[in-house]
Amino acid sequence: AQSVTQLGSHVSVSEGALVLLRCNYSSSVPPYLFWYVQYPNQGLQLLLKYTSAATLVKGINGFEAEFKKSETSFHLTKPSAHMSDAAEYFCAVSDYGGSYIPTFGRGTSLIVHP
Amino acid sequence: DGGITQSPKYLFRKEGQNVTLSCEQNLNHDAMYWYRQDPGQGLRLIYYSQIVNDFQKGDIAEGYSVSREKKESFPLTVTSAQKNPTAFYLCASNGGGTSPLHFGNGTRLTVT
Repeated sequence: AQSVTQLGSHVSVSEGALVLLRCNYSSSVPPYLFWYVQYPNQGLQLLLKYTSAATLVKGINGFEAEFKKSETSFHLTKPSAHMSDAAEYFCAVSDYGGSYIPTFGRGTSLIVHP
Repeated sequence: DGGITQSPKYLFRKEGQNVTLSCEQNLNHDAMYWYRQDPGQGLRLIYYSQIVNDFQKGDIAEGYSVSREKKESFPLTVTSAQKNPTAFYLCASNGGGTSPLHFGNGTRLTVT
């Protein structure tokens, strides 16, 4: 069985500050991991995907995430927050145990202050 | 451009009425999904279909029904048996396996 835990339903940062959104997963087999972003009243868009090719994954809009097997984590970071980064962020895991159907975390709302 | 179209964007219904949400994709994807989104609960899987004329229940299928008669279309019916139908509904598709999901822009259903 697979599951995802996102620590913190809300994260608040100042513009220009480091963004860190946490995601921990559980999976009985090597997982595929995703980060998605959702702007208000819209669907989700893919930010990045981990497929075991490299532990540090670069995504769109300056975001990146690092896969750490020992910590079962896949935290999302961005060196400098922009006002336009304010959105809901979802971590998701997919593995064969679930027929590849992705399981989503509860989401983290990123608030960016001027 | 290819994508997923959900309609309508907003839908209002009276309690006791069935309502059907539309989802169409022109990405030539085999797999399609319906998720329900409630504040603070993330996305919960209602139904999914990995091939035409076949679909499976997700985690919260009670009170919902679907059909998959065409590759491009995966409509969701919210029946009167669904106890708390007011929510934001998202349709998604992918090429199967571990490929990322592509999402529509959602339908916000309000039942009073």
